[in-house]
Amino acid sequence: DAKTTQPNSMESNEEEPVHLPCNHSTISGTDYIHWYRQLPSQGPEYVIHGLTSNVNNRMASLAIAEDRKSSTLILHRATLRDAAVYYCILTLGIQGAQKLVFGQGTRLTINP
Amino acid sequence: EPEVTQTPSHQVTQMGQEVILRCVPISNHLYFYWYRQILGQKVEFLVSFYNNEISEKSEIFDDQFSVERPDGSNFTLKIRSTKLEDSAMYFCASIGRGPKETQYFGPGTRLLVL
Repeated sequence: DAKTTQPNSMESNEEEPVHLPCNHSTISGTDYIHWYRQLPSQGPEYVIHGLTSNVNNRMASLAIAEDRKSSTLILHRATLRDAAVYYCILTLGIQGAQKLVFGQGTRLTINP
Repeated sequence: EPEVTQTPSHQVTQMGQEVILRCVPISNHLYFYWYRQILGQKVEFLVSFYNNEISEKSEIFDDQFSVERPDGSNFTLKIRSTKLEDSAMYFCASIGRGPKETQYFGPGTRLLVL
C-alpha cells in the first residue's frame, strides 16, 4: 500500500479556513486519494476523494498537486464540529473492494 | 441518507465467551468490511467480504474470528473465545461497486472483555 505522511496535529480558529496537508510521494497512477475523518467516539466518516482534478463537495475541497505527490484538504470555514482526526488514505482505484489502511492522521483542534 | 447500522452499541463479556457483532450494511452495497480500533490506537483492517466469501483478511483475523452474511441484510463478526486484548471498538463498513465508490462506516460496537 502506498504510504501517506500527515502532520500529527494542527490547530485553527473557528470560522477560519483550514488547510490539512498530505504527502504521498509514492502514489501510483491509479491510486485514488481519500480523506476520512473520525470525530470523538464515532466511526470514520467519508469526507472527499479524488484522482487528479481538484474536487469540491458540501463538506470540503480537495486540492491535488499536479504531480499528485501531495494533496490538501480544505475546510473553508471551520466550526467546532470539525474537530476530529483527519486521515489521508490512498486506494488502488481499479476495484471497489479496497481495504482502507489508516495511519495516525492529523488531529485537528478548533479554537472558539 | 442511507447508513450502516451496528448492534449492539456496547457489549461486555467475560474472557472465553463467544460474541457476535451485527451490522446492517447499506442495502445496495456489495463489499463489506470489519475494522477495529483499540483505545488510543489507529483503525485496523480485519477482513473484507464479497460474494459470500472472505476476499482479504489481516493477521489479526485468526481462527477465533469468523464472518457471515446469514441473510440479505445482516453481516456478522463472531469472536469464538474472547481474549482481553479483543477489547476494542469494532466498525463495520460497506461499499458499492466501482472505483468512484467509497466506504461508509457504522457507528461501531464497543466491546469490553473482562
